[in-house]
Amino acid sequence: DAGITQSPRHKVTETGTPVTLRCHQTENHRYMYWYRQDPGHGLRLIHYSYGVKDTDKGEVSDGYSVSRSKTEDFLLTLESATSSQTSVYFCAISESEGVYNEQFFGPGTRLTVL
Amino acid sequence: GNSVTQMEGPVTLSEEAFLTINCTYTATGYPSLFWYVQYPGEGLQLLLKATKADDKGSNKGFEATYRKETTSFHLEKGSVQVSDSAVYFCALSALGSNTGKLIFGQGTTLQVKP
Repeated sequence: DAGITQSPRHKVTETGTPVTLRCHQTENHRYMYWYRQDPGHGLRLIHYSYGVKDTDKGEVSDGYSVSRSKTEDFLLTLESATSSQTSVYFCAISESEGVYNEQFFGPGTRLTVL
Repeated sequence: GNSVTQMEGPVTLSEEAFLTINCTYTATGYPSLFWYVQYPGEGLQLLLKATKADDKGSNKGFEATYRKETTSFHLEKGSVQVSDSAVYFCALSALGSNTGKLIFGQGTTLQVKP
């Protein structure tokens, strides 16, 4: 199994509070991704990173920011959480960005915003 | 834009029944196609993939054939087991502004009863 961990695994927070989710990998893969999973939508890309300090927006980036200061860590921040951000968040990694390339997923973080 | 459509779930089958989960896609060019599986409480893992027309991906008794003429990548298994109960996601990766990034279908839940 690819070495990907996410923390925390579960979090309950209140509307308006900041929240940071962490993804940590031990595979030294260059590319990292944050997705959210919601019923009826599958997984949707929030942000991705193609190297240290190199990030870009995905399909549903509003209300989220990311940072990557080290190869192994990719942080997702909700500056002011809203109930619409209640979801399961998955981190993924890949060696390259080619169309043939497999992504490996972490175990997920279940976030509830009250 | 690129998109993936999966059949609605949940799908409920008895053990040893034949499984088909339909997946169709819209994409420019020649995408790669993937099936991911998510077991309860876990992240996604790659089940199989195909990178060009008429390719057949296979793994753990599951198969899917890349049909460009019908833009489909249906998942099949001849005899399902209780342990196959999971959520199955069809996904594509295509060239263009979203190079290498996965576009997911909404997921299909499979429940296999003894």
